[in-house]
Amino acid sequence: AQKVTQAQTEISVVEKEDVTLDCVYETRDTTYYLFWYKQPPSGELVFLIRRNSFDEQNEISGRYSWNFQKSTSSFNFTITASQVVDSAVYFCALSEPHISNFGNEKLTFGTGTRLTIIP
Amino acid sequence: GAVVSQHPSRVICKSGTSVKIECRSLDFQATTMFWYRQFPKQSLMLMATSNEGSKATYEQGVEKDKFLINHASLTLSTLTVTSAHPEDSSFYICSARAAGVNLGTDTQYFGPGTRLTVL
Repeated sequence: AQKVTQAQTEISVVEKEDVTLDCVYETRDTTYYLFWYKQPPSGELVFLIRRNSFDEQNEISGRYSWNFQKSTSSFNFTITASQVVDSAVYFCALSEPHISNFGNEKLTFGTGTRLTIIP
Repeated sequence: GAVVSQHPSRVICKSGTSVKIECRSLDFQATTMFWYRQFPKQSLMLMATSNEGSKATYEQGVEKDKFLINHASLTLSTLTVTSAHPEDSSFYICSARAAGVNLGTDTQYFGPGTRLTVL
């Protein structure tokens, strides 16, 4: 069964500090997708990144970077030089495409990490 | 691109009434839409998966007669909470999975959510 663990419930850092959000997943399959979503106080989930299980290259997008380590089943998210606008709940999620339910892949979410950036 | 809207954003109703929530993909066609429920400070729990033109698939424990889902077109899905009770108060979020290559077929884009309060 799929499982996503975000062990950090809440994190607070001072503005401009770097912060890493951890995500560990469990899956039986060799093909899967990993996601990160941001949920600001307004409630809307904002898509940040999707990573294919066959692509272990780390990715950088501005102040955001992601470290995918298949060997440890982790997909960690780092924010560099944090800003107050980064304050939100961040969810890591996993989906497993299967032939039997192709097109209906479900997302399994972690419990989220509430990040607070202190000005 | 990939904008999903929900209406209403907030609704307060009396116990026993029915409430309809609309989810629309504004700039893409969504063959599949998902409905989630989120309690305060908790993760998203998938309620059901709906495909255009067919019956929704409900997750275990979700009453299909209470949470009616209709996916009549490639851009609209509705969730009707019938005979709502205070325990149905929650944040309901829909997502849409894009059909076609450009947006990536494995990414769900989320609506802004609907906060339902049943008195």
